[in-house]
Amino acid sequence: QVQLQESGPGLVKPSETLSLTCAVSGYSISSGYYWGWIRQPPGKGLEWIGSIYHSGSTYYNPSLKSRVTISVDTSKNQFSLKLSSVTAADTAVYYCARLTYYYGSGSYPRAFFDYWGQGTLVTVSS
Amino acid sequence: AIRMTQSPSSLSASTGDRVTITCRASQGISSYLAWYQQKPGKAPKLLIYAASTLQSGVPSRFSGSGSGTDFTLTISCLQSEDFATYYCQQYYSYPLTFGQGTRLEIK
Repeated sequence: QVQLQESGPGLVKPSETLSLTCAVSGYSISSGYYWGWIRQPPGKGLEWIGSIYHSGSTYYNPSLKSRVTISVDTSKNQFSLKLSSVTAADTAVYYCARLTYYYGSGSYPRAFFDYWGQGTLVTVSS
Repeated sequence: AIRMTQSPSSLSASTGDRVTITCRASQGISSYLAWYQQKPGKAPKLLIYAASTLQSGVPSRFSGSGSGTDFTLTISCLQSEDFATYYCQQYYSYPLTFGQGTRLEIK
């Protein structure tokens, strides 16, 4: 059974960088699938942040692209999120997830989230 | 970005009822649509992908239909554990986007 677990600071100061890690168990990241991050501000809906393949190929949400870096460490079977220059608007529960994908007529993977971590609340405040 | 609009935003129903939630895409997405269920304090759970394919382990009272721009999630006989918030998500193009959610409450 695939399991994902987020970890990282629960409190980040404004203008600093939010850093989270997602440890994967029950499946080797190197074996395939895309892996991604989604966030949910308190009481609000879901926002996709970005996704990464084990090779390092990434897709980012344009609304966050200038501040986001997602990386993968296959030796530790984990992937990470960095979000720079955070503000209070970045306060949210951050989820990591596995994505199942298909290549249709386009050259990009069409992917949905089939396994999720439990989520971790990150508050941006001084 | 493709905008996903769900209706209604909230819905009250009773155990045993049949309910339908609608998701509309701002442009055609073929059948690249997934539905998720989220309970308070928990991560979303995948229910349906490819608009109508039930994820393994999901009860058969859940069903999905539609293609193009209009999609529906139907729960045929509500159980107590089904009261939750439901989200649709398109994966036809990037950025991946979700509907705003439909909160299903007990009447």
